[in-house]
Amino acid sequence: AQSVAQPEDQVNVAEGNPLTVKCTYSVSGNPYLFWYVQYPNRGLQFLLKYITGDNLVKGSYGFEAEFNKSQTSFHLKKPSALVSDSALYFCAVRDPDSGGYQKVTFGTGTKLQVIP
Amino acid sequence: DVKVTQSSRYLVKRTGEKVFLECVQDMDHENMFWYRQDPGLGLRLIYFSYDVKMKEKGDIPEGYSVSREKKERFSLILESASTNQTSMYLCASSPAGVGYGYTFGSGTRLTVV
Repeated sequence: AQSVAQPEDQVNVAEGNPLTVKCTYSVSGNPYLFWYVQYPNRGLQFLLKYITGDNLVKGSYGFEAEFNKSQTSFHLKKPSALVSDSALYFCAVRDPDSGGYQKVTFGTGTKLQVIP
Repeated sequence: DVKVTQSSRYLVKRTGEKVFLECVQDMDHENMFWYRQDPGLGLRLIYFSYDVKMKEKGDIPEGYSVSREKKERFSLILESASTNQTSMYLCASSPAGVGYGYTFGSGTRLTVV
């Protein structure tokens, strides 16, 4: 069975500092990995995905994520945090080798607070 | 701009009522999903559909049913609402295939009293 873990419920970072939101996963095959962001009282918005190829993936709003197969991680990063980045971030995984309908499993979310 | 539209942002219903949550997408996506979101539990899949009139149970289908009579519309039905169904409900859609992200609606916050 596939799973995804976001070990931090909340991450605090000062505006202008680099930020990292952590995600680890478990799948039987090669994973498809996704990051989504949720602003208050809104649905989730797709940020970026890793399917294959370069381990460093760039996405919307200056975010990027690094796929590390040996550590089974897919951490979300941004070089310089903005107050407007404050939101809830979800990591998600899909196992394309699982057969049938390949369900997406979401993490429990990490609240990012950027402090002015 | 592509959209997934959920008919209500906030809904208050009484215990035992039959509740309909509507979701419409304008992207001609094959797949549609209903999730509920609860603090500390993340998103849990209730039902999904990969084609018109097709439906599959997700992780927590008990107490829910769905209907997909047209490709663009996917309805979630709470047969007899209970207080433990108070939650944020999110609809999403995606094209067929495994490499696509989901497009989500803005959510419906349902309170059952």
